[in-house]
Amino acid sequence: DTAVSQTPKYLVTQMGNDKSIKCEQNLGHDTMYWYKQDSKKFLKIMFSYNNKELIINETVPNRFSPKSPDKAHLNLHINSLELGDSAVYFCASSQGTETYNEQFFGPGTRLTVL
Amino acid sequence: GQNIDQPTEMTATEGAIVQINCTYQTSGFNGLFWYQQHAGEAPTFLSYNVLDGLEEKGRFSSFLSRSKGYSYLLLKELQMKDSASYLCAVVDSNYQLIWGAGTKLIIKP
Repeated sequence: DTAVSQTPKYLVTQMGNDKSIKCEQNLGHDTMYWYKQDSKKFLKIMFSYNNKELIINETVPNRFSPKSPDKAHLNLHINSLELGDSAVYFCASSQGTETYNEQFFGPGTRLTVL
Repeated sequence: GQNIDQPTEMTATEGAIVQINCTYQTSGFNGLFWYQQHAGEAPTFLSYNVLDGLEEKGRFSSFLSRSKGYSYLLLKELQMKDSASYLCAVVDSNYQLIWGAGTKLIIKP
């Protein structure tokens, strides 16, 4: 009965590789998000996506791209991984398209780039 | 620019009361969230305030003053399990969620 799930939970990889993180929500929500939380614990929005609109944080490098095969999934693809990409990545979802709705977070994916 | 300020860390005693403050300067305001995040876990929703005043939910209460750009989270009858980070986040005029860096709360016996 997991609400928002992410795989993998841990990801260790070499610089320069390409990797993907999967996210699924079974809440019937309309909007999904990707966040990056760095070692200082600051939570930074990367993308928000619903059926109509993808909003990208302009500070996110274009090596990062979200892919949504359907309303329940929003995967994160990362090309040419760099050391600074090491962080915890959280997927989240919310009802409707309004930002003031409560967000439900997945358990996070700890990415370590060596 | 947009800014959310919270203390980095606070310490309190089990059974006591603690108030975690959050001040914000954002382009517009459409509500303020408080989330709790235990170490190594995902953030979980605590409260949402859009009107001035105090909202109580069990041992936790959240207060908002829009004119002062200020909110606080009040935790009563502290328990060891309340040791966590508490994140303040504001919805701006573009309906973007602006997150604070969080306050790490340490509870001592």
